[in-house]
This record gives sequence, C-alpha cells and structure tokens, in this order.
Amino acid sequence: NAGVMQNPRHLVRRRGQEARLRCSPMKGHSHVYWYRQLPEEGLKFMVYLQKENIIDESGMPKERFSAEFPKEGPSILRIQQVVRGDSAAYFCASSPVPWEVGFFGPGTRLTVL
Amino acid sequence: GENVEQHPSTLSVQEGDSAVIKCTYSDSASNYFPWYKQELGKRPQLIIDIRSNVGEKKDQRIAVTLNKTAKHFSLHITETQPEDSAVYFCAAPSRGTGTASKLTFGTGTRLQVTL
Repeated sequence: NAGVMQNPRHLVRRRGQEARLRCSPMKGHSHVYWYRQLPEEGLKFMVYLQKENIIDESGMPKERFSAEFPKEGPSILRIQQVVRGDSAAYFCASSPVPWEVGFFGPGTRLTVL
Repeated sequence: GENVEQHPSTLSVQEGDSAVIKCTYSDSASNYFPWYKQELGKRPQLIIDIRSNVGEKKDQRIAVTLNKTAKHFSLHITETQPEDSAVYFCAAPSRGTGTASKLTFGTGTRLQVTL
C-alpha cells in the first residue's frame, strides 16, 4: 500500500505562470487536505476535499487558487498567475475518516522566480 | 475557528534529558490531538495522538497527556537522543463548514538535543 503520493516534488515557475500540484491519497482514503508551509514556519490549512466535493476551503485565497478531487484521478491544487509569495512547500495529506490526518505526502516545493 | 498555541518555540536539551512541549487549544469540542515530527526538508510524520476519552498515552520514550478542563495537551520525550532533534507540531481539529472539521497546527517547537 503506497503512501500519499505527490508530484512533482520540485516545481519552478516564473511569475505569471500556472502551477499544478497533484496528490494521490493512500488507497482507501477519501479525505484529502492541502497545507502550505513557508520556510521556517508552520503548516497552514488551505482546503479539505472529498471525492468530487470541496468540504472546507476557508484557508485558500479566493483569487488564483483552486482545488479539485475528481471521481477518477488525483487531487489537483492549481495556482494561476503565480507570484513570488507563492513560493512554499505544499503538503497533501489523506485520511480514512475526517481530520484524523495520519499521513502526509512528501510535498511539492514550489519556487517562483 | 480553533486557535492552537504551542510553547516553547525552541528547546535545547542535553542528550538523556527529558523534553516537554505544551499546546493549548480553544475549541472545547475538539476530541483528537496528534503530534507530528518534521525533520529538515522532510514531510511531517505522525508520532503519537490522543483522544479525549483518555488522559495519557505512552509509546516507548514518547508520551502525551491531555487536560480537557484546562484545554491543554503536552508531549513528553524521555531519554532524548540526537535523532530526536527536529521541529515538533501539535494539532487540534476545529469546526469548519457544517459538521466538517479541519486540523489546525501549532506554530512548532524546534528541539535541539546536544551531546
């Protein structure tokens, strides 16, 4: 049983480009969470999704950021028109029940030039 | 929403000593309290968790205590070793939209175990 998978592990974008981050939850896990971590800082909640539904997006900026978890395939975090402040590590986590987050993916480190 | 405060922000102990990290939370409905360890450049890893129906849980050198009345929980590491050096995060769930909840993290404690 593979753990939570994220790709790419590292992503470099220029200002104004789009970034797409993917997360495949552990098998049997239907709850997916995205967190952002700035250098030397803690984990900030962004969005909580179940299959085909956004449950809580209260931590996600209303502009430029979107997330989805389709019926088939990985969850996608999409950042449009990236800015330097978007540079961070983005971690995905999954769980079999709500909010009992036991497993994080390896993260995607986004660098915006 | 939940407010989780964590102290201290940095902690330096000598190898073999104990380390204690404390967190307080605000949502009295919270009933699940995990602790994570994050080494430099790596993902957070769950090391221990406790539910509100117990006051203490132990796993080898790691223990967590919970005081629901005071709304605080603590991580205890005994006989610390250099490989315990990392950043430790506490977390607590809070009500999001409807009955859903999200996990709110503390700000982290950087533990340094010196020889």
